[in-house]
Amino acid sequence: SQTIHQWPATLVQPVGSPLSLECTVEGTSNPNLYWYRQAAGRGLQLLFYSVGIGQISSEVPQNLSASRPQDRQFILSSKKLLLSDSGFYLCAWSPTGAGREQYFGPGTRLTVT
Amino acid sequence: GEDVEQSLFLSVREGDSSVINCTYTDSSSTYLYWYKQEPGAGLQLLTYIFSNMDMKQDQRLTVLLNKKDKHLSLRIADTQTGDSAIYFCAEVSYNQGGKLIFGQGTELSVKP
Repeated sequence: SQTIHQWPATLVQPVGSPLSLECTVEGTSNPNLYWYRQAAGRGLQLLFYSVGIGQISSEVPQNLSASRPQDRQFILSSKKLLLSDSGFYLCAWSPTGAGREQYFGPGTRLTVT
Repeated sequence: GEDVEQSLFLSVREGDSSVINCTYTDSSSTYLYWYKQEPGAGLQLLTYIFSNMDMKQDQRLTVLLNKKDKHLSLRIADTQTGDSAIYFCAEVSYNQGGKLIFGQGTELSVKP
């Protein structure tokens, strides 16, 4: 069966510090991968998605970047965090193809102080 | 553009049925999804319905789809306190490369 991991689970970082969040998927090959942010409200904001190694699409101009160095690894980064980067970051994967169901990881709670 | 709308809150008594409603805009959406999010956790895929179906039942969950009105509902029978969570519906947006568009979520509160 497939599983998706995210770490760390929680993170408190000062403004201006760098960020690296990692997501890995097991039990599947060539998944589509996604990074979402869920702010204090409910809405899910799609930040990045990837259909393959080294292929990253950015949805919204951000202080963030994403990379996919391996087939089942997706990394969210920032060089200098802003207060507004605080939120709940969710990684998800879906089988290859458009419009397929997405499976979410447990999330990382980021607080920028 | 595509938009998915849900009411923000629903409160029911334990043992009653809950009905969570959703309207969507992309008529070409082939699948429509329901997700559940418990506090501090990721989203869990509950069920989905293919667009050529009117209804899908899965144990206590019943999904109804009205394609003409672009209306989707999730009925939870015999609602339990463990069903308290936020429920998201999602449509597929083929205008945006087949991405999922999520509603704002309905917070279901189950009172004993």
